[in-house]
Amino acid sequence: HVHLQESGPGLVKPSGTLSLTCTVSGVSISSRNWWCWVRQSPGKGLEWIGEFYRGGITNYNPSLKSRVTISVDLSKSQFSLDLYSVTAADTALYFCATGTVTDESWGQGTLVTVSS
Amino acid sequence: DIQMTQSPSAMSASVGDRVTITCRAGQDISNSLVWFQVKPGKVPQRLIYAASILQSGVPSRFSGSGSGTEFTLTIASLQPEDFATYYCLQYKSYPRTFGQGTKVEVK
Repeated sequence: HVHLQESGPGLVKPSGTLSLTCTVSGVSISSRNWWCWVRQSPGKGLEWIGEFYRGGITNYNPSLKSRVTISVDLSKSQFSLDLYSVTAADTALYFCATGTVTDESWGQGTLVTVSS
Repeated sequence: DIQMTQSPSAMSASVGDRVTITCRAGQDISNSLVWFQVKPGKVPQRLIYAASILQSGVPSRFSGSGSGTEFTLTIASLQPEDFATYYCLQYKSYPRTFGQGTKVEVK
């Protein structure tokens, strides 16, 4: 059974860095083709943040591109999200997901609030 | 960016109803579309990929159709556990883009 668990601070100060980690268990992380992050702001829909694709290719949402980095650590079965210079608009439920063409798994999500 | 427009944004339905949700793409995305089910506090679940392929383990009452710019998710007979919000997502190009979601509520 594949399990993804997001972890990281639930509260980040404005202008700070939001750093989250997704730990993958139940499957070899290296068997996945892509690793991505998605968020949902309060009362709103899903927003794709970005993706790390097999081979080291990264793609980010242009609305966040200058502030975001996604990386993968195969040795730790983890992948990470760093979002810099956060504002209240970055308050959201953050999900990690990973998969292949035929299979996909998501974490349950972690709420991050940006506030002083 | 490819805009994805979902309709309706919300709907009320009863157990046993046939439910249809539509997603329209701003440009041709071939069959590069997935459908998700999202429930509060639960892990989002992919229902359909490649527009019409049922994800392993997903009940057969869910089906997807369409190609190009117009797509449909159908729930043949709504069950109590199906009350949730449904999203489409295009993966034809970057950035990936979601529809705005359809909340299926109890009538």
